[in-house]
Amino acid sequence: GDSVTQTEGQVALSEEDFLTIHCNYSASGYPALFWYVQYPGEGPQFLFRASRDKEKGSSRGFEATYDKGTTSFHLRKASVQESDSAVYYCALGSYQGGRALIFGTGTTVSVSP
Amino acid sequence: EAAVTQSPRNKVAVTGGKVTLSCNQTNNHNNMYWYRQDTGHGLRLIHYSYGAGSTEKGDIPDGYKASRPSQENFSLILELATPSQTSVYFCASGDPTGGDNERLFFGHGTKLSVL
Repeated sequence: GDSVTQTEGQVALSEEDFLTIHCNYSASGYPALFWYVQYPGEGPQFLFRASRDKEKGSSRGFEATYDKGTTSFHLRKASVQESDSAVYYCALGSYQGGRALIFGTGTTVSVSP
Repeated sequence: EAAVTQSPRNKVAVTGGKVTLSCNQTNNHNNMYWYRQDTGHGLRLIHYSYGAGSTEKGDIPDGYKASRPSQENFSLILELATPSQTSVYFCASGDPTGGDNERLFFGHGTKLSVL
């Protein structure tokens, strides 16, 4: 079945560092790809999405490019802030299951001042 | 902004007891979902619904039932709770008509501990 793999479980950075979280997917067809962010005590929040090859999604300084050739949607931010500390989830939109999202295992990002 | 409200926020239950988690959405979304969140597994789909009266099994439905009595409300029921069901549960709603609408709105979660 469809799946999403996030390589990094935890990432520790200092402010102004560059952030990369790797996301690879396995799915048939052309699923939409998403990034969600979750702050402590809250539910996941939509960050952005992309739905076709080479499309770039972006929000709040984060960006990712849909790459069908490498089946990837890596999240990047050039200069992180302490307020970016959160759990980040990559997800794909399934064509089954009521169009539910299939999530990766999440990456915990900790940014120190 | 879409609003999804879950209750209770925290719940302690005993093994073998019945637990009901409630979810309400005010966005008139057709689809609603229940996920559980566990370290190392991310978010996994338990049940979902296409609308009032509809419930469907997700990827990990064993030990759970769901109920959708109205467009706004979607409940998750644990008839015989077990310690392995200790987790954080998230309800979400969405209107998967494509485009920017193809995203989910999540509640704040319910932390369930089964002792």
